[in-house]
Amino acid sequence: EDKVVQSPLSLVVHEGDTVTLNCSYEVTNFRSLLWYKQEKKAPTFLFMLTSSGIEKKSGRLSSILDKKELFSILNITATQTGDSAIYLCAVGAGGTSYGKLTFGQGTILTVHP
Amino acid sequence: DTEVTQTPKHLVMGMTNKKSLKCEQHMGHRAMYWYKQKAKKPPELMFVYSYEKLSINESVPSRFSPECPNSSLLNLHLHALQPEDSALYLCASSQEQGMDTQYFGPGTRLTVL
Repeated sequence: EDKVVQSPLSLVVHEGDTVTLNCSYEVTNFRSLLWYKQEKKAPTFLFMLTSSGIEKKSGRLSSILDKKELFSILNITATQTGDSAIYLCAVGAGGTSYGKLTFGQGTILTVHP
Repeated sequence: DTEVTQTPKHLVMGMTNKKSLKCEQHMGHRAMYWYKQKAKKPPELMFVYSYEKLSINESVPSRFSPECPNSSLLNLHLHALQPEDSALYLCASSQEQGMDTQYFGPGTRLTVL
């Protein structure tokens, strides 16, 4: 069974701090790893990574994938209160699970002013 | 435009009611998904439609009945639900099944009394 594990489960920081969120996975027929941010309702797409070692970056957020060690990290620098959310890692697989995303349990990030 | 819309935003129903959830996207995506998300848990895949045909059913009870009347619309018909079915129901779409970047709608918060 495909498995995605995120750590830490929750994190409390102050504005300006840098945070690192972790995602490890065990998936048959790995295709891609995605990061989403979920505030009140809909998860919003952040990054998709398919190749190892390539960093995806958008403003203060960046992510990298290590396909050999089966993990990814999401970095947020100079955090702001608007970064407070649940960050979800999901893995896309092939084979009989083609098109299915398996989500980790999420990291709850709270940024205090 | 990466918008997926869902109606209604909230729904309260009794166990004997029949109701429907609706999802719409105008991005030309050919794959659409239903997810169920319980409080403090990650989204769990229920169904995948590809080119208006049911592609994946994750062993969902028959009291949930999906329908894809055209490439832009996805419905979820509900009948004889149980209180444990109360959850946030998320719709998502992607360009094709297996193109893993899925865009989510805001969800319908369902309460079954």
